[in-house]
Amino acid sequence: DTAVSQTPKYLVTQMGNDKSIKCEQNLGHDTMYWYKQDSKKFLKIMFSYNNKELIINETVPNRFSPKSPDKAHLNLHINSLELGDSAVYFCASSQEFLAGVADTQYFGPGTRLTVL
Amino acid sequence: GNSVTQMEGPVTLSEEAFLTINCTYTATGYPSLFWYVQYPGEGLQLLLKATKADDKGSNKGFEATYRKETTSFHLEKGSVQVSDSAVYFCALSDHMDRGAQKLVFGQGTRLTINP
Repeated sequence: DTAVSQTPKYLVTQMGNDKSIKCEQNLGHDTMYWYKQDSKKFLKIMFSYNNKELIINETVPNRFSPKSPDKAHLNLHINSLELGDSAVYFCASSQEFLAGVADTQYFGPGTRLTVL
Repeated sequence: GNSVTQMEGPVTLSEEAFLTINCTYTATGYPSLFWYVQYPGEGLQLLLKATKADDKGSNKGFEATYRKETTSFHLEKGSVQVSDSAVYFCALSDHMDRGAQKLVFGQGTRLTINP
């Protein structure tokens, strides 16, 4: 069974379109994340949700809107796509950060978004 | 803010060579430290972690020791294999409120092992 899954794996679209990427985890984790990996492989957090509540929003343009229908799902919707949005987007999940001990984050396989 | 600096890549070695990938960090407090590995076309997988000073994380022959005095977490392996070819990321966890943690990544080091 896949622990963290994302769909689609590849997404090619035109500038100005709106698209969504879905993420699901079956690990029973409370916290989910979206990361962006640019063409130089640099990874940066975008959002984090804990039990469907937004916790982290790292100055991402408001064209990006995460939605968490339940704690096992965290979808990413992107409006008015721009060329600079081309990247690989990774979803991840972990248990809650408790008692000062960081838990392992488990990553999905990634979605490669190409904006033409 | 907190940050992670990794040795610039790419790194190319022959099979059975000794590997070191340097990682240093800047942080307030005492973050947990991680090494993640990304094989071609795949997502990130945890390789090892250490949660406090002097802890040693180890997995699949890789090791790293959390050194508070030098703010380092260098990755080592005594004898690399072709299958170790991947991109390696050093990261620290930055605790946020309400149960979330933010991973701050280094820039990644691409490792290629030649037979």
